[in-house]
Amino acid sequence: AQSVAQPEDQVNVAEGNPLTVKCTYSVSGNPYLFWYVQYPNRGLQFLLKYITGDNLVKGSYGFEAEFNKSQTSFHLKKPSALVSDSALYFCAVRPWAMEYGNKLVFGAGTILRVKS
Amino acid sequence: KAGVTQTPRYLIKTRGQQVTLSCSPISGHRSVSWYQQTPGQGLQFLFEYFSETQRNKGNFPGRFSGRQFSNSRSEMNVSTLELGDSALYLCASGEQANEKLFFGSGTQLSVL
Repeated sequence: AQSVAQPEDQVNVAEGNPLTVKCTYSVSGNPYLFWYVQYPNRGLQFLLKYITGDNLVKGSYGFEAEFNKSQTSFHLKKPSALVSDSALYFCAVRPWAMEYGNKLVFGAGTILRVKS
Repeated sequence: KAGVTQTPRYLIKTRGQQVTLSCSPISGHRSVSWYQQTPGQGLQFLFEYFSETQRNKGNFPGRFSGRQFSNSRSEMNVSTLELGDSALYLCASGEQANEKLFFGSGTQLSVL
């Protein structure tokens, strides 16, 4: 069975500092990995995805993520945090098999707080 | 293009009642997925419809059902509501598998 772990409930970082939100996954076969962000009282917004290719994926709003197959990780990063980045971040995985369609398995989420 | 539209935005029901939630996907998207979000269980997949056929189903009881119409609009129904069904129900639409999903703002269901 596929699963996603986000080991930190909350990450605190000062504005202008780099940020990392951690994600590890477990899935049979090649994983398709995603990061989504949720602002209060809103649905989720897509940030970036890894399907294949370069292990460093660039996404929206200056975010990037690094895929590490040996460590089964897909950490979200940003070189310089903004207060407006404060939100709830979800990592998600979809198994490779086509039968899974658009079914995503989400992690528990990590609250990111950026302080000025 | 208009985004994913979910109605109603808020619902208050009592135990034992049934409820129907509606989702209009982005024009041209044939895949519609439903997720339940709660503080305790997080985001859980309910089901996905593609071209009016259920393509995937999560681990929810039969009280949770859905359907998709020929115009890709989708509805989900929860019968015999329980207190534990209180949650934010999110709908997401997409064009193809492995592409990004577009989420609506959700329907906040409260069961009293």
